[in-house]
Amino acid sequence: GAVVSQHPSWVICKSGTSVKIECRSLDFQATTMFWYRQFPKQSLMLMATSNEGSKATYEQGVEKDKFLINHASLTLSTLTVTSAHPEDSSFYICSAINWAGGNEQFFGPGTRLTVL
Amino acid sequence: QKEVEQNSGPLSVPEGAIASLNCTYSDRGSQSFFWYRQYSGKSPELIMFIYSNGDKEDGRFTAQLNKASQYVSLLIRDSQPSDSATYLCAVKSIQGAQKLVFGQGTRLTINP
Repeated sequence: GAVVSQHPSWVICKSGTSVKIECRSLDFQATTMFWYRQFPKQSLMLMATSNEGSKATYEQGVEKDKFLINHASLTLSTLTVTSAHPEDSSFYICSAINWAGGNEQFFGPGTRLTVL
Repeated sequence: QKEVEQNSGPLSVPEGAIASLNCTYSDRGSQSFFWYRQYSGKSPELIMFIYSNGDKEDGRFTAQLNKASQYVSLLIRDSQPSDSATYLCAVKSIQGAQKLVFGQGTRLTINP
């Protein structure tokens, strides 16, 4: 099956710093990737849709200047949390669509961000 | 009204019994329906998807879809302790540009 990786798997940073999270499709090309955020005991909330070679589409209420998304290649999308604050601490999960294998979304393992 | 609603539980079922998980959705244009399982601290993994009205079976799992009632369910037969997890219902509509909308999840515990 299609494999999606994320790096890092967890990160702890100081308030005010920026953190970059990578999402890679390892064995397929992903023209579309999605970024989700999940707070404890809550469901996944879609943050943005990332399309290769174009600007990301953000969901209502998500600050695009704070959560920078870059999808420069067919196998890599990055999410940068700028000037992170403790309220940004969450589980960030990406997913990718393998169009060649249907339109199923394959999820990465997630990145646990803790902002001190 | 939430777009996708699930009973948050927790739902407790004895080992070997049938676990029944329910989900309703508000968008009549929804076309695809997914059930994901999520263990604590892990990302979701796809269990089943269903597109057409009726039942779809895969091993111990059966998904049921009723578009007229805007209702989708997941049955787990012969429940095992390893089935203990949070189950997420997700819905995709044509208008949603392949976006998935998730329910809040149902926490299921299988008691040995």
